[in-house]
Amino acid sequence: SQQGEEDPQALSIQEGENATMNCSYKTSINNLQWYRQNSGRGLVHLILIRSNEREKHSGRLRVTLDTSKKSSSLLITASRAADTASYFCATDATGNTGKLIFGQGTTLQVKP
Amino acid sequence: EADIYQTPRYLVIGTGKKITLECSQTMGHDKMYWYQQDPGMELHLIHYSYGVNSTEKGDLSSESTVSRIRTEHFPLTLESARPSHTSQYLCASSGETGRQYFGAGTRLSVL
Repeated sequence: SQQGEEDPQALSIQEGENATMNCSYKTSINNLQWYRQNSGRGLVHLILIRSNEREKHSGRLRVTLDTSKKSSSLLITASRAADTASYFCATDATGNTGKLIFGQGTTLQVKP
Repeated sequence: EADIYQTPRYLVIGTGKKITLECSQTMGHDKMYWYQQDPGMELHLIHYSYGVNSTEKGDLSSESTVSRIRTEHFPLTLESARPSHTSQYLCASSGETGRQYFGAGTRLSVL
């Protein structure tokens, strides 16, 4: 069964607005990671949050993790047209020794 | 940013051909992975390796095979390609942090 489920599946906003994507998972984890994928390309790592962390920031990105609800959110502030991409959460489940299970992704479109 | 390379980027071949997708990394990572991804869909792990001479099948069953004779090299082979193998194949590697580094992918089309 799928470990990560993301919501919404697609999001369209204007430049300058904030974008929030959510991810839910099913098992206990070592860490949760967010990746970005531009159309037809490989994935680029954005941020990793460990199971004992609740919030992490990197530039315009803010990630939260709630292990009691088995959920995470990615917030992109002051979005730009260049942020248009697909965003995936991935979980490193406890005992999986590095294997990641990816969610189905959120497609973000930022209109200039 | 990533020192992980996949060739070819695009491949169009006929049914029944044998193909090898190349993946190399220069970061000295022990762990390497192959994923299959259809357009607009999630990634599915098809093979992984934790070091030389170590390979395991992933969560998604695949007719492809892999080998890991050298740390830096993790090729994927299809002995007889079929139209159902048409997809994008992504290679990744990871070190101690658990963060995965991805290649640009190979988009395979089997006619």
